Amino acid sequence: AQKITQTQPGMFVQEKEAVTLDCTYDTSDPSYGLFWYKQPSSGEMIFLIYQGSYDQQNATEGRYSLNFQKARKSANLVISASQLGDSAMYFCAMREISILSGSARQLTFGSGTQLTVLP
Amino acid sequence: DGGITQSPKYLFRKEGQNVTLSCEQNLNHDAMYWYRQDPGQGLRLIYYSQIVNDFQKGDIAEGYSVSREKKESFPLTVTSAQKNPTAFYLCASSHDRGGTDTQYFGPGTRLTVL
Repeated sequence: AQKITQTQPGMFVQEKEAVTLDCTYDTSDPSYGLFWYKQPSSGEMIFLIYQGSYDQQNATEGRYSLNFQKARKSANLVISASQLGDSAMYFCAMREISILSGSARQLTFGSGTQLTVLP
Repeated sequence: DGGITQSPKYLFRKEGQNVTLSCEQNLNHDAMYWYRQDPGQGLRLIYYSQIVNDFQKGDIAEGYSVSREKKESFPLTVTSAQKNPTAFYLCASSHDRGGTDTQYFGPGTRLTVL
């Protein structure tokens, strides 16, 4: 079963508007971390934001915020005031932290969402 | 500047040849990782190492080998046993202290088998 699901292969947003990229996850581990990465056309993976399963508040990092709904197992990325430079592939990833999870340090990635910001 | 370097950026290989991809980090990170990315897909873990002289297989280790003789270096060898090696390879590192333990990535090597 897929652990990370990103249902939007492609998204378009007008410059200066906000956009939400969806991510749902599946785990029985009570302790886990959720990550978002940006991959521009150059290929490098750039870390954006992190949310821990026990964090009480949604994570924010500049124009990025994470809409974490634990009961729904969703961790959507919100980008406010989109810029042309935000055009890239965005990946959601999860790391199960419990010792019982076995390979506890492994990141599992979704298939990504290609975001295009329109001028 | 602290970071992760990978070389070469592009690599071409003939079928049946082994090839080694380089990954070096100067972040003083304990853990290092190798991922493979195929077009339109997410990353899949090949191997990871939490400490020098120790490494574990990831989800798709068959046809690959690694070594970790130094903390800073984690080279990946793509052997002739790897049936479909054409892909984008990304190396990452992290402190490996549990909790947040964010992985940071290098620029990647694009391998093409001719």
